[in-house]
Amino acid sequence: AQKITQTQPGMFVQEKEAVTLDCTYDTSDPSYGLFWYKQPSSGEMIFLIYQGSYDQQNATEGRYSLNFQKARKSANLVISASQLGDSAMYFCAMRDRGPTSGTYKYIFGTGTRLKVLA
Amino acid sequence: DSGVTQTPKHLITATGQRVTLRCSPRSGDLSVYWYQQSLDQGLQFLIQYYNGEERAKGNILERFSAQQFPDLHSELNLSSLELGDSALYFCASSVDTGSSTDTQYFGPGTRLTVL
Repeated sequence: AQKITQTQPGMFVQEKEAVTLDCTYDTSDPSYGLFWYKQPSSGEMIFLIYQGSYDQQNATEGRYSLNFQKARKSANLVISASQLGDSAMYFCAMRDRGPTSGTYKYIFGTGTRLKVLA
Repeated sequence: DSGVTQTPKHLITATGQRVTLRCSPRSGDLSVYWYQQSLDQGLQFLIQYYNGEERAKGNILERFSAQQFPDLHSELNLSSLELGDSALYFCASSVDTGSSTDTQYFGPGTRLTVL
């Protein structure tokens, strides 16, 4: 069954250091997309980065990069040079085929709460 | 700003009441998704509409219903409200071309408090 697992409920990182947030997934669909979203304390969900299952290279967006290891079914988010404003909840999500032809669905992990320390 | 708008931002009501949450998708997006996020919980997918028609259904209670109108805005109706319905309700939209690159963009959410 399709599943997203985030095993780290909470993480601390020192300002200016890099941090890796773990995400593993499970799907039988060869074509899927992986996403990371940030939810600060204000509540909004902010799209950060996307990785396609057929992408040969790891996705990068500014200080965010996605460490995609297809054989291990992992899609870890790496935040470089952490800033205080990175303190938030981070969700990993996957999009793959739905139960009927032509449909797709998104599933989300339970999230990792990141706290950046000054 | 994601381009997805949701109203109202906050809603406080009593048990047994009915409320309507409204969502306008990004320009050009045909799909609208509704999610519920209870306190310190992940996102629970409720329902998806594509170009006016229901496309996928998640863990949506029978007391809840949704629709998408010809102008593509969507409404989520919650009735016979219970204390446990207090949550942050998100709307998201995407183009939904059928590609796995399709990305959901979220609105700011409606925080519902049932007293």
